[in-house]
Amino acid sequence: AQSVAQPEDQVNVAEGNPLTVKCTYSVSGNPYLFWYVQYPNRGLQFLLKYITGDNLVKGSYGFEAEFNKSQTSFHLKKPSALVSDSALYFCAVRDRSGGYQKVTFGTGTKLQVIP
Amino acid sequence: EAQVTQNPRYLITVTGKKLTVTCSQNMNHEYMSWYRQDPGLGLRQIYYSMNVEVTDKGDVPEGYKVSRKEKRNFPLILESPSPNQTSLYFCASSTGGQGHYEQYFGPGTRLTVT
Repeated sequence: AQSVAQPEDQVNVAEGNPLTVKCTYSVSGNPYLFWYVQYPNRGLQFLLKYITGDNLVKGSYGFEAEFNKSQTSFHLKKPSALVSDSALYFCAVRDRSGGYQKVTFGTGTKLQVIP
Repeated sequence: EAQVTQNPRYLITVTGKKLTVTCSQNMNHEYMSWYRQDPGLGLRQIYYSMNVEVTDKGDVPEGYKVSRKEKRNFPLILESPSPNQTSLYFCASSTGGQGHYEQYFGPGTRLTVT
């Protein structure tokens, strides 16, 4: 069975500071990994994904994520946080080894950027 | 405009009264899926469909049914809703293939069962 853990329910960061939202995963094979963002009263929007290749993935709105196979992690990062980045962030995984049809999401991390 | 639409957006109903939440996408996507979002539990997959007439259970399928008669539509059916199905529901779609495509989400349907 596949699983995703987002260990922090909430992350607070000052505007202009770097931010990190953590995600670890468990799959039986190799993963496809995704980050989505949800603004209040909206559906989820895709931010970035890791498929293969370079471990550092760049996405929308200046976000990036680093895939670490040995630590089974896929942390979301941004060098300088904006107040408009405040939202709920979800990490998701698909196991490419035959089980890719199922998608498992983490419980979400609320990011609060303080002016 | 490429989009996933859901109807209704808000629904209050009573226990046992059958209901259907519709989902439609205009991107010719093969893969469609339903999720429920609950506080502290994140998104959990209810059912997914790889293509027309191909559906399978996700992690929390009990109490739900789906059908995929047309590529663009993927309705979620609650035959006998119960209060524990009160939740925020999202439909999503993506290109098929080997699973590395991102999903596009609808705006959500907030369901309350009393």
